[in-house]
Amino acid sequence: DQQVKQNSPSLSVQEGRISILNCDYTNSMFDYFLWYKKYPAEGPTFLISISSIKDKNEDGRFTVFLNKSAKHLSLHIVPSQPGDSAVYFCAASDFGNEKLTFGTGTRLTIIP
Amino acid sequence: ETGVTQSPTHLIKTRGQQVTLRCSSQSGHNTVSWYQQALGQGPQFIFQYYREEENGRGNFPPRFSGLQFPNYSSELNVNALELDDSALYLCASSATSAGPSGTGELFFGEGSRLTVL
Repeated sequence: DQQVKQNSPSLSVQEGRISILNCDYTNSMFDYFLWYKKYPAEGPTFLISISSIKDKNEDGRFTVFLNKSAKHLSLHIVPSQPGDSAVYFCAASDFGNEKLTFGTGTRLTIIP
Repeated sequence: ETGVTQSPTHLIKTRGQQVTLRCSSQSGHNTVSWYQQALGQGPQFIFQYYREEENGRGNFPPRFSGLQFPNYSSELNVNALELDDSALYLCASSATSAGPSGTGELFFGEGSRLTVL
């Protein structure tokens, strides 16, 4: 039972353009969502998060959008840079729960 | 500030053996969580330890067990290894057990890659 789904295993984007990574969830109890980035041979690192009381959160080049009615969130990276090439994981939790539920990841490749 | 460190980084075991993986949490963090990441999958929650007690467990059998020590470092033990236990095991520490929505943001180590033959 995959409660967090990332349906695109991979995505290639030209340097300087916008990268859009998508994530869907099924558990309506989830109220906090995070994106993690993972380089090879490293652990995932936290990128950006959003609470269910918001529909948008920005941090520099990274913006996360949340559509609660559609149970969908997306990560926008603009402009995309070569250093953004990595695997991106969407994750979710419900308030006070120590557990994160992860998606299967999307491998983003930025083409110079 | 020292980050999360895990050992060993790679190891190979045979089916039926036992393995112990170790994790040192980030300075100032009292909570450790363990995740299993199989090939092509996202990390899956195994369990969390807070102040030396198990504080939540995912859908893993009892042969997966853990410990947390007074210095907040932790061990993951897996008995009776099966082929499907081959995976990257990630340790993550946080400053609180409240979960990420309680600002218990997780900081991950590089992982221990276990291969079971």
